Amino acid sequence: AQSVTQPDIHITVSEGASLELRCNYSYGATPYLFWYVQSPGQGLQLLLKYFSGDTLVQGIKGFEAEFKRSQSSFNLRKPSVHWSDAAEYFCAVGANRDDKIIFGKGTRLHILP
Amino acid sequence: DGGITQSPKYLFRKEGQNVTLSCEQNLNHDAMYWYRQDPGQGLRLIYYSQIVNDFQKGDIAEGYSVSREKKESFPLTVTSAQKNPTAFYLCASSGVGRGISATNEKLFFGSGTQLSVL
Repeated sequence: AQSVTQPDIHITVSEGASLELRCNYSYGATPYLFWYVQSPGQGLQLLLKYFSGDTLVQGIKGFEAEFKRSQSSFNLRKPSVHWSDAAEYFCAVGANRDDKIIFGKGTRLHILP
Repeated sequence: DGGITQSPKYLFRKEGQNVTLSCEQNLNHDAMYWYRQDPGQGLRLIYYSQIVNDFQKGDIAEGYSVSREKKESFPLTVTSAQKNPTAFYLCASSGVGRGISATNEKLFFGSGTQLSVL
C-alpha cells in the first residue's frame, strides 16, 4: 500500500524568501503524485501533479515540484513566497492499479512580514 | 457550473444517532471519495468508489457506511459505532469514463462538512 510522509508540521519563512516543503512517499511502482493547498475551512485546490514524463513539474501560483525516484521524494518549491501563500499544504500519492489516493498529514506554512 | 456540492456545511450529531452527509457531483466523474480531516492528521481515506454500485474501504472505514446507487451521488453515513465523529469531512471526485489512474486526472474537492457531537 502507498503512504506519504510530510516531515515538517509547521514551516515559517519570511515574505520574499524561498520555500521548500518536503514530501516522501512509499509505493512499489511509479506513483501518481500531487500537491494540494487548503485555506482554513475550505476544500483543497490542486497546485500541481506528476503522472509521468518530465520530473520537474510546474504548477499554479509560481510553485514547482521535482520527482526524485531515487529519493522517493516530491518536494514543493517556490522561489519567493507571498503573504497569501500562508495555508496548509498536502502531498498525496495515488496508485496505478486502483484509484486510491492517500494524503500526508500536511505542512502548515506561516509567512513573516 | 460543474462541481461537487457537499451538504450541510455544519452538522450536529447526538449520542447514538446516525447522520448522513451528502455529496453530489455534476462532473460526470466515475470515482468518488470520502476523507476525514482532523488537526495534525491530514486527510484520511474513509471510503472510495470507482464505479456505481461498487465501493472499497479506505484506511478508517470502521463506524462509517456509504452507498453508490447513482453516479452523481456518494452519501456518507456516520453511524453510532463511530465514537469520535467530530471532524471535517471532505468529498472528492475524479475521472470521466475511468478513474484517476487512467485519465491523468486530479481530485476535485467539495467545500466540506464540519460534523460535531452535541
